[in-house]
Amino acid sequence: EAGVVQSPRYKIIEKKQPVAFWCNPISGHNTLYWYRQNLGQGPELLIRYENEEAVDDSQLPKDRFSAERLKGVDSTLKIQPAELGDSAVYLCASSPGEIGNYYGYTFGSGTRLTVV
Amino acid sequence: DQQVKQNSPSLSVQEGRISILNCDYTNSMFDYFLWYKKYPAEGPTFLISISSIKDKNEDGRFTVFLNKSAKHLSLHIVPSQPGDSAVYFCAAKGAGGGADGLTFGKGTHLIIQP
Repeated sequence: EAGVVQSPRYKIIEKKQPVAFWCNPISGHNTLYWYRQNLGQGPELLIRYENEEAVDDSQLPKDRFSAERLKGVDSTLKIQPAELGDSAVYLCASSPGEIGNYYGYTFGSGTRLTVV
Repeated sequence: DQQVKQNSPSLSVQEGRISILNCDYTNSMFDYFLWYKKYPAEGPTFLISISSIKDKNEDGRFTVFLNKSAKHLSLHIVPSQPGDSAVYFCAAKGAGGGADGLTFGKGTHLIIQP
């Protein structure tokens, strides 16, 4: 079974430019998450999808960040325009929901964004 | 306001001995706790979890203990092996229903000395 797939693995852009990250979750996982991990910190939740619906986007900086999961499968996270402080690793994760008190949260390898 | 705290940024343990990683939380509504292991340039990998209705869960060399009254959990690795050297994250799920997003600690860098 393929895991959570993210692309690209690395991205370097100049500030004020747009950038997009793509995620394909594990097949059958209805819940998809985007996290941001700053250097020396743990991942922080940006947005959570149940199928195609964003059910928790309270931590997403909506002035410059947007996300979509149009068909309830893969998802795209976009930043426009990027700022220097957006440099971080962006992680995608998925879950099938609760199965016998186990949630199966699985993470992708992440996209390391550097804004210069 | 950090709801999940890992107060030891790093821990060095001799190979073959026990590694104990600690985690404290402040939100009594968390109902499920997980430990993840992370190697450089890779995403976090699930290690072990525990429901708030239990106080211990064991999987091979890994055991997680939960003390709800103290809002404290710990991960025990015994015996420690060189491949265990990694950053370990403690994470917690809220009781909002369904697969809520996780709240993570800052991580503890475990170094296994030969």
